[in-house]
Amino acid sequence: EVQLFESGGGLVQPGGSLRLSCAASGFTFSSYAMSWVRQAPGKGPEWVSAISGSGNTYFVDSVKGRFTISRDNSKNTVHLQMNSLRVEDTAVYYCAKSMQGDSWGQGTLVTVSS
Amino acid sequence: DVVMTQSPLSLPVTLGQPASISCRSSQSLVYSDGNTYLNWFQQRPGQSPRRLIYKVSNRDSGVPDRFSGSGSGTDFTLKISRVEAEDVGIYYCMQGTHWPRTFGQGTKVEIK
Repeated sequence: EVQLFESGGGLVQPGGSLRLSCAASGFTFSSYAMSWVRQAPGKGPEWVSAISGSGNTYFVDSVKGRFTISRDNSKNTVHLQMNSLRVEDTAVYYCAKSMQGDSWGQGTLVTVSS
Repeated sequence: DVVMTQSPLSLPVTLGQPASISCRSSQSLVYSDGNTYLNWFQQRPGQSPRRLIYKVSNRDSGVPDRFSGSGSGTDFTLKISRVEAEDVGIYYCMQGTHWPRTFGQGTKVEIK
């Protein structure tokens, strides 16, 4: 059974940083791209970033230059480093398997507020 | 970015009756490998999204066969043959062909 567990969310001031982590199990992690998708309160999902099995990275324009994504295939984890956070980055951040959203974690809440 | 447009945005249905959701994309979703990466997700209240359908018409493991997907190119449909109480939630289409991936606005399914 695929399991994805996100951690690292919290309250941060505008301009601050957070690092999200996602621990994966139940599949051959290194063979799959991994993605981060966020959902602002009362809104639909927004695909934020993805990383292929070989390490190619993708970002939505609104986070380019502020967010980085990385993976550790030895630990079956993927990270999202978020810098220069803005109020509009407030959302539940989900980790998802592949770039087609095969499976999702339960999400971690990021609140950017002064 | 590819714009995904769903209709209707609200869908009150009677238990046991069929339901249908339309999704249209602003560009063709046919990828260079010949596949069409159009997915459907269900989000029940208070839960994470769950994928129901991938590549237009393929049901994910554990998805009841009352859910079906169809379409091609830029025009797609999700059908529920007989709505059950557990189907209440918001349904999203998502294109997985172009970057960034984009979702429709969502269709809220509720019981009349």
